[in-house]
Amino acid sequence: SAVISQKPSRDICQRGTSLTIQCQVDSQVTMMFWYRQQPGQSLTLIATANQGSEATYESGFVIDKFPISRPNLTFSTLTVSNMSPEDSSIYLCSVPGLAGVGETQYFGPGTRLLVL
Amino acid sequence: AQKVTQAQTEISVVEKEDVTLDCVYETRDTTYYLFWYKQPPSGELVFLIRRNSFDEQNEISGRYSWNFQKSTSSFNFTITASQVVDSAVYFCALSAAGGTSYGKLTFGQGTILTVHP
Repeated sequence: SAVISQKPSRDICQRGTSLTIQCQVDSQVTMMFWYRQQPGQSLTLIATANQGSEATYESGFVIDKFPISRPNLTFSTLTVSNMSPEDSSIYLCSVPGLAGVGETQYFGPGTRLLVL
Repeated sequence: AQKVTQAQTEISVVEKEDVTLDCVYETRDTTYYLFWYKQPPSGELVFLIRRNSFDEQNEISGRYSWNFQKSTSSFNFTITASQVVDSAVYFCALSAAGGTSYGKLTFGQGTILTVHP
Protein backbone atom coordinates (compact mmCIF):
# COMPACT_ATOMS: atom_id res chain seq x y z
CA SER A 1 0.00 0.00 0.00
CA ALA A 2 1.06 3.57 -0.60
CA VAL A 3 2.08 5.79 2.31
CA ILE A 4 0.62 9.24 1.92
CA SER A 5 1.31 12.28 4.06
CA GLN A 6 -0.36 15.66 4.03
CA LYS A 7 0.65 19.03 5.42
CA PRO A 8 -0.73 20.78 7.33
CA SER A 9 -2.91 18.35 9.23
CA ARG A 10 -5.21 21.19 10.25
CA ASP A 11 -5.38 24.95 10.05
CA ILE A 12 -7.57 27.85 11.00
CA CYS A 13 -7.59 30.65 8.46
CA GLN A 14 -9.16 34.03 8.00
CA ARG A 15 -11.55 34.66 5.15
CA GLY A 16 -9.95 36.13 2.08
CA THR A 17 -6.64 34.36 2.59
CA SER A 18 -5.24 31.31 0.79
CA LEU A 19 -3.88 28.02 2.05
CA THR A 20 -1.67 25.55 0.21
CA ILE A 21 -1.98 21.89 1.15
CA GLN A 22 0.80 19.46 0.35
CA CYS A 23 0.50 15.79 -0.47
CA GLN A 24 3.55 13.52 -0.50
CA VAL A 25 3.54 9.88 -1.57
CA ASP A 26 6.29 7.38 -0.84
CA SER A 27 6.27 5.98 -4.38
CA GLN A 28 5.81 7.30 -7.88
CA VAL A 29 2.21 7.40 -9.08
CA THR A 30 0.77 8.53 -12.37
CA MET A 31 -2.43 10.01 -11.05
CA MET A 32 -3.26 11.86 -7.86
CA PHE A 33 -6.71 13.03 -6.85
CA TRP A 34 -7.94 15.75 -4.54
CA TYR A 35 -11.22 15.39 -2.64
CA ARG A 36 -13.22 17.66 -0.37
CA GLN A 37 -15.38 16.53 2.52
CA GLN A 38 -17.61 19.25 3.87
CA PRO A 39 -18.80 18.91 7.50
CA GLY A 40 -21.10 15.94 7.91
CA GLN A 41 -21.01 15.22 4.19
CA SER A 42 -19.56 12.69 1.83
CA LEU A 43 -16.45 13.10 -0.28
CA THR A 44 -16.51 14.96 -3.56
CA LEU A 45 -13.77 14.85 -6.15
CA ILE A 46 -12.23 18.25 -6.84
CA ALA A 47 -9.70 17.42 -9.52
CA THR A 48 -7.15 15.03 -10.93
CA ALA A 49 -3.55 16.19 -10.63
CA ASN A 50 -1.62 15.10 -13.71
CA GLN A 51 2.14 15.19 -13.80
CA GLY A 52 3.39 17.28 -16.69
CA SER A 53 0.02 18.75 -17.60
CA GLU A 54 -2.71 20.88 -16.12
CA ALA A 55 -5.06 19.43 -13.57
CA THR A 56 -8.47 18.23 -14.68
CA TYR A 57 -11.31 19.75 -12.66
CA GLU A 58 -14.70 18.29 -11.91
CA SER A 59 -17.93 20.16 -12.43
CA GLY A 60 -18.33 22.91 -9.87
CA PHE A 61 -14.61 23.37 -9.22
CA VAL A 62 -12.38 25.86 -11.04
CA ILE A 63 -8.67 26.43 -11.30
CA ASP A 64 -8.81 29.99 -10.01
CA LYS A 65 -10.30 28.79 -6.74
CA PHE A 66 -8.37 25.53 -6.40
CA PRO A 67 -5.06 25.78 -8.26
CA ILE A 68 -3.12 22.53 -8.27
CA SER A 69 0.52 21.79 -8.89
CA ARG A 70 2.11 18.43 -9.71
CA PRO A 71 5.84 18.99 -10.10
CA ASN A 72 6.78 15.29 -9.97
CA LEU A 73 5.35 11.81 -9.56
CA THR A 74 5.39 11.81 -5.75
CA PHE A 75 4.13 15.29 -4.83
CA SER A 76 1.18 17.60 -5.38
CA THR A 77 -0.24 20.74 -3.84
CA LEU A 78 -3.78 22.07 -3.67
CA THR A 79 -4.35 25.74 -2.90
CA VAL A 80 -7.65 26.96 -1.55
CA SER A 81 -7.80 30.59 -2.67
CA ASN A 82 -9.69 33.57 -1.33
CA MET A 83 -11.25 31.44 1.35
CA SER A 84 -14.71 31.84 2.80
CA PRO A 85 -16.35 29.94 5.68
CA GLU A 86 -17.97 27.65 3.08
CA ASP A 87 -14.50 26.29 2.32
CA SER A 88 -14.27 24.80 5.80
CA SER A 89 -13.79 21.12 5.03
CA ILE A 90 -11.43 18.21 5.16
CA TYR A 91 -9.26 18.07 2.05
CA LEU A 92 -7.82 14.70 1.13
CA CYS A 93 -5.45 13.53 -1.53
CA SER A 94 -5.75 10.06 -2.96
CA VAL A 95 -3.56 7.81 -5.06
CA PRO A 96 -4.11 4.45 -6.71
CA GLY A 97 -2.65 1.36 -5.15
CA LEU A 98 0.47 -0.14 -6.62
CA ALA A 99 -1.67 -2.80 -8.27
CA GLY A 100 -2.79 -0.30 -10.89
CA VAL A 101 -4.89 2.81 -11.41
CA GLY A 102 -8.47 2.49 -10.27
CA GLU A 103 -8.07 -0.86 -8.64
CA THR A 104 -7.31 0.33 -5.14
CA GLN A 105 -7.40 3.86 -3.87
CA TYR A 106 -5.60 5.02 -0.77
CA PHE A 107 -6.17 8.30 0.99
CA GLY A 108 -3.95 10.65 2.89
CA PRO A 109 -4.81 11.56 6.48
CA GLY A 110 -6.55 14.73 5.37
CA THR A 111 -6.19 18.45 6.10
CA ARG A 112 -8.87 19.91 8.34
CA LEU A 113 -9.51 23.49 7.36
CA LEU A 114 -11.60 25.95 9.34
CA VAL A 115 -12.22 29.36 7.81
CA LEU A 116 -13.40 32.13 10.12
CA ALA B 1 -23.39 9.43 -14.63
CA GLN B 2 -22.51 7.30 -11.67
CA LYS B 3 -24.45 7.28 -8.44
CA VAL B 4 -24.08 5.51 -5.12
CA THR B 5 -26.89 5.37 -2.59
CA GLN B 6 -26.55 4.38 1.03
CA ALA B 7 -30.11 4.47 2.26
CA GLN B 8 -29.23 4.14 5.93
CA THR B 9 -28.06 7.45 7.32
CA GLU B 10 -27.50 6.14 10.84
CA ILE B 11 -27.55 2.73 12.45
CA SER B 12 -27.33 2.04 16.16
CA VAL B 13 -26.70 -1.44 17.55
CA VAL B 14 -25.62 -3.05 20.75
CA GLU B 15 -22.29 -4.81 20.89
CA LYS B 16 -22.25 -8.36 19.51
CA GLU B 17 -25.19 -7.72 17.22
CA ASP B 18 -24.78 -8.31 13.49
CA VAL B 19 -25.32 -5.28 11.28
CA THR B 20 -25.66 -4.89 7.51
CA LEU B 21 -24.92 -1.66 5.67
CA ASP B 22 -26.68 -1.33 2.35
CA CYS B 23 -25.21 0.11 -0.83
CA VAL B 24 -26.92 0.45 -4.20
CA TYR B 25 -25.19 1.89 -7.23
CA GLU B 26 -25.91 3.10 -10.74
CA THR B 27 -23.47 3.10 -13.60
CA ARG B 28 -23.43 2.76 -17.37
CA ASP B 29 -19.97 1.28 -17.34
CA THR B 30 -19.69 -2.41 -18.15
CA THR B 31 -16.65 -2.82 -15.94
CA TYR B 32 -16.19 -1.01 -12.70
CA TYR B 33 -14.90 -1.27 -9.16
CA LEU B 34 -16.76 -1.05 -5.88
CA PHE B 35 -15.19 -0.06 -2.60
CA TRP B 36 -15.97 0.21 1.08
CA TYR B 37 -14.14 2.65 3.33
CA LYS B 38 -14.29 3.23 7.07
CA GLN B 39 -13.89 6.72 8.55
CA PRO B 40 -13.42 6.60 12.34
CA PRO B 41 -13.82 9.72 14.46
CA SER B 42 -10.17 10.58 13.85
CA GLY B 43 -11.13 11.35 10.25
CA GLU B 44 -8.79 9.23 8.16
CA LEU B 45 -10.27 7.01 5.45
CA VAL B 46 -9.45 3.35 5.89
CA PHE B 47 -9.70 1.14 2.82
CA LEU B 48 -11.66 -2.05 3.53
CA ILE B 49 -12.31 -3.78 0.24
CA ARG B 50 -12.32 -3.41 -3.52
CA ARG B 51 -14.51 -5.59 -5.73
CA ASN B 52 -14.33 -5.97 -9.52
CA SER B 53 -17.62 -5.92 -11.38
CA PHE B 54 -16.86 -9.21 -13.08
CA ASP B 55 -16.26 -11.00 -9.79
CA GLU B 56 -19.49 -11.71 -7.96
CA GLN B 57 -18.03 -13.97 -5.34
CA ASN B 58 -18.85 -12.93 -1.84
CA GLU B 59 -15.93 -12.20 0.42
CA ILE B 60 -15.30 -12.69 4.09
CA SER B 61 -12.53 -11.14 6.11
CA GLY B 62 -12.74 -11.91 9.80
CA ARG B 63 -15.94 -10.34 11.10
CA TYR B 64 -16.51 -8.50 7.83
CA SER B 65 -18.33 -9.88 4.83
CA TRP B 66 -19.51 -8.39 1.57
CA ASN B 67 -22.37 -9.45 -0.65
CA PHE B 68 -22.13 -8.28 -4.26
CA GLN B 69 -25.20 -8.81 -6.44
CA LYS B 70 -24.85 -7.39 -9.90
CA SER B 71 -28.48 -8.20 -10.77
CA THR B 72 -29.71 -5.76 -8.13
CA SER B 73 -26.71 -3.39 -8.33
CA SER B 74 -26.01 -3.85 -4.67
CA PHE B 75 -22.84 -4.25 -2.65
CA ASN B 76 -23.80 -4.75 0.97
CA PHE B 77 -21.46 -4.93 3.93
CA THR B 78 -22.10 -7.03 7.04
CA ILE B 79 -20.28 -6.81 10.34
CA THR B 80 -20.75 -9.89 12.49
CA ALA B 81 -20.62 -9.64 16.26
CA SER B 82 -20.13 -5.88 16.19
CA GLN B 83 -17.73 -4.18 18.57
CA VAL B 84 -17.50 -0.66 19.94
CA VAL B 85 -14.40 -0.09 17.78
CA ASP B 86 -16.56 -0.59 14.70
CA SER B 87 -18.25 2.74 15.42
CA ALA B 88 -17.47 4.94 12.44
CA VAL B 89 -18.86 6.35 9.23
CA TYR B 90 -18.81 3.81 6.42
CA PHE B 91 -18.69 4.85 2.79
CA CYS B 92 -19.48 2.82 -0.27
CA ALA B 93 -17.82 4.06 -3.48
CA LEU B 94 -17.76 3.32 -7.19
CA SER B 95 -15.08 3.78 -9.83
CA ALA B 96 -15.07 3.15 -13.54
CA ALA B 97 -12.51 0.66 -14.75
CA GLY B 98 -11.70 2.67 -17.85
CA GLY B 99 -12.41 5.80 -19.85
CA THR B 100 -12.25 9.38 -18.63
CA SER B 101 -13.60 8.45 -15.18
CA TYR B 102 -10.87 5.90 -14.62
CA GLY B 103 -9.69 6.04 -11.01
CA LYS B 104 -12.23 8.63 -9.88
CA LEU B 105 -14.38 7.61 -6.95
CA THR B 106 -18.07 8.42 -6.56
CA PHE B 107 -19.05 8.11 -2.92
CA GLY B 108 -22.34 7.37 -1.24
CA GLN B 109 -23.54 9.66 1.52
CA GLY B 110 -22.17 7.41 4.21
CA THR B 111 -23.74 5.45 7.06
CA ILE B 112 -22.97 6.40 10.63
CA LEU B 113 -22.66 3.24 12.66
CA THR B 114 -22.76 3.47 16.43
CA VAL B 115 -22.09 0.36 18.47
CA HIS B 116 -23.09 0.64 22.11
CA PRO B 117 -21.43 -1.43 24.81
